Amino acid sequence: DTAVSQTPKYLVTQMGNDKSIKCEQNLGHDTMYWYKQDSKKFLKIMFSYNNKELIINETVPNRFSPKSPDKAHLNLHINSLELGDSAVYFCASSYQGANEQFFGPGTRLTVL
Amino acid sequence: GQQLNQSPQSMFIQEGEDVSMNCTSSSIFNTWLWYKQDPGEGPVLLIALYKAGELTSNGRLTAQFGITRKDSFLNISASIPSDVGIYFCAGRGAAGTASKLTFGTGTRLQVTL
Repeated sequence: DTAVSQTPKYLVTQMGNDKSIKCEQNLGHDTMYWYKQDSKKFLKIMFSYNNKELIINETVPNRFSPKSPDKAHLNLHINSLELGDSAVYFCASSYQGANEQFFGPGTRLTVL
Repeated sequence: GQQLNQSPQSMFIQEGEDVSMNCTSSSIFNTWLWYKQDPGEGPVLLIALYKAGELTSNGRLTAQFGITRKDSFLNISASIPSDVGIYFCAGRGAAGTASKLTFGTGTRLQVTL
């Protein structure tokens, strides 16, 4: 199936731990994004990569470090997890920054 | 930063009713988009609008790009149970890879039989 996939779907961890979320798209897109959706369902962009280059970097704590090994993958590593990091994280992709962004199923992160 | 306010925040309607929701911004956007998020999934694009005053339909959905470029409207006619979900507007300034989407606060739609 052609899609944007994320792993894991659910992630429960203790405060202070370091964790990673992986994203892959097989749509042939060249732009990928990370969004955070909080408990009120507010969706906010965190990062965007175009052809492995960081092009959007919103005001996000530097504990969050994205990495794009190639155009089809965008991973998110989070250090020293805090309670406020609990949210659903969505990966998305598009072609050349087009308006239609295809979203993955999300990763629900719970920090205890 | 920019903020998009959607209203209503949530709505309960009966199957078969028409639905209207809107989105307002403090800033001008050049593109307006409407997405739908089903429970447990990511948002999916429904309609994209590119010009002030534009009216675009996608099946039972109709959306309009406000004349002031600071608002947009979405109508759903003859609602059905699968219309349940959260509807997000999103605005975009200039085109290009560095231009981000700003999402609205969402309208949660629930349909009763």
